Amino acid sequence: GAVVSQHPSRVICKSGTSVKIECRSLDFQATTMFWYRQFPKQSLMLMATSNEGSKATYEQGVEKDKFLINHASLTLSTLTVTSAHPEDSSFYICSARTSGRGEQYFGPGTRLTVT
Amino acid sequence: AQKVTQAQTEISVVEKEDVTLDCVYETRDTTYYLFWYKQPPSGELVFLIRRNSFDEQNEISGRYSWNFQKSTSSFNFTITASQVVDSAVYFCALSEALYTGNQFYFGTGTSLTVIP
Repeated sequence: GAVVSQHPSRVICKSGTSVKIECRSLDFQATTMFWYRQFPKQSLMLMATSNEGSKATYEQGVEKDKFLINHASLTLSTLTVTSAHPEDSSFYICSARTSGRGEQYFGPGTRLTVT
Repeated sequence: AQKVTQAQTEISVVEKEDVTLDCVYETRDTTYYLFWYKQPPSGELVFLIRRNSFDEQNEISGRYSWNFQKSTSSFNFTITASQVVDSAVYFCALSEALYTGNQFYFGTGTSLTVIP
């Protein structure tokens, strides 16, 4: 099956710094990528949808200036958490959708801890 | 409104028991897909099954089976002869009109603990 990677898998950063998370589709072209956030013992909540070459669409309540998403190519999307705070500590998961069959594949997730 | 409801927050069973995880969904689309994912402690989502709205046949894969009933908008998941390795959080998800870019709607998950 299709593979989606995320880097890094874990990151610890200090409050006030920014951190970038990469999501790559390794063996297919992803016209659309999704970013989810999952707090401990909770479900996955969609943060934003990004289409290659256009601006991301953010879900209600998600600050676009804080969570910058760049879908620079058909195989790469990045999520930058700017001026991170402890409340941003969470598990971030991306998924990628192909343009053909439209199936969606999930990355392994990135665990962000802000100290 | 919650599109996917997993009423069971936590379930504990003793090894070798059968267990059924419930999933009820809500949609007005005639074309939709239902999914089950397993999330072990590592966090990575493990795809288990995808079922489209036009296929109501039940499916069996080893110890896993799924019962899809459109009449009750349910897509339940049964693990037969549970094992300790089945301990994880299980998510049911709905995707409406798969090919038009709609996102997944996840249920709140059911945490399954299999006791040896």
